[in-house]
Amino acid sequence: QVQLVQSGAEVKKPGASVKVSCKASGYTFTSYYMHWVRQAPGQGLEWMGIINPSGGSTSYAQKFQGRVTMTRDTSTSTVYMELSSLRSEDTAVYYCARGMEEFRFNYYYYYMDVWGKGTTVTVSS
Amino acid sequence: DIQMTQSPSSLSASVGDRVTITCRASQGISNSLAWYQQKPGKAPKLLLYAASRLESGVPSRFSGSGSGTDYTLTISSLQPEDFATYYCQQYYSTPPWTFGQGTKVEIK
Repeated sequence: QVQLVQSGAEVKKPGASVKVSCKASGYTFTSYYMHWVRQAPGQGLEWMGIINPSGGSTSYAQKFQGRVTMTRDTSTSTVYMELSSLRSEDTAVYYCARGMEEFRFNYYYYYMDVWGKGTTVTVSS
Repeated sequence: DIQMTQSPSSLSASVGDRVTITCRASQGISNSLAWYQQKPGKAPKLLLYAASRLESGVPSRFSGSGSGTDYTLTISSLQPEDFATYYCQQYYSTPPWTFGQGTKVEIK
């Protein structure tokens, strides 16, 4: 079955960087985009960006431009999300989610069908 | 960016009740709408996509409808395991993908 297994919880100091991994299994890794979504404590869901595991192309939310980098390793079917210059407001659970393709009206649309369990990142001095 | 607004933000209901949650987009999204269920401490789970298509394995008491800018999620007969927070998300005009703020369904 399709699974996304994320790395463990992290505690970081302000100004540091964190790199979260998401290992995919149960499907062809390079055939599906991967999203990253975060959720601050008690808050809603916030889209951070997307990576195409096939070619490595990325698109980031404007809010995170310059601070986030998404990469992939096709040999291990793993995607990574690195967030730099951490501040307390980055304390959140970070999720990876597979992008499922829907073809409609001669165009492709992508929703999120399978999610990882999340990685808690705590930023505290 | 397309803004998604859900209502209500929370509701109290009893087991067996019919529950409806509304999601409004700031512009037309041509049924490119997904609904997710999230329980405390868990990842979101996809319930419906394309506004009304039920994800495999999701109980048929969940249904979706709507068009243009206005969409609804209906739970026909609320079950104990349905108490959770529900999010809508548009995937019509991307990036960015945008979510509603969530609707918490609590036990009355």
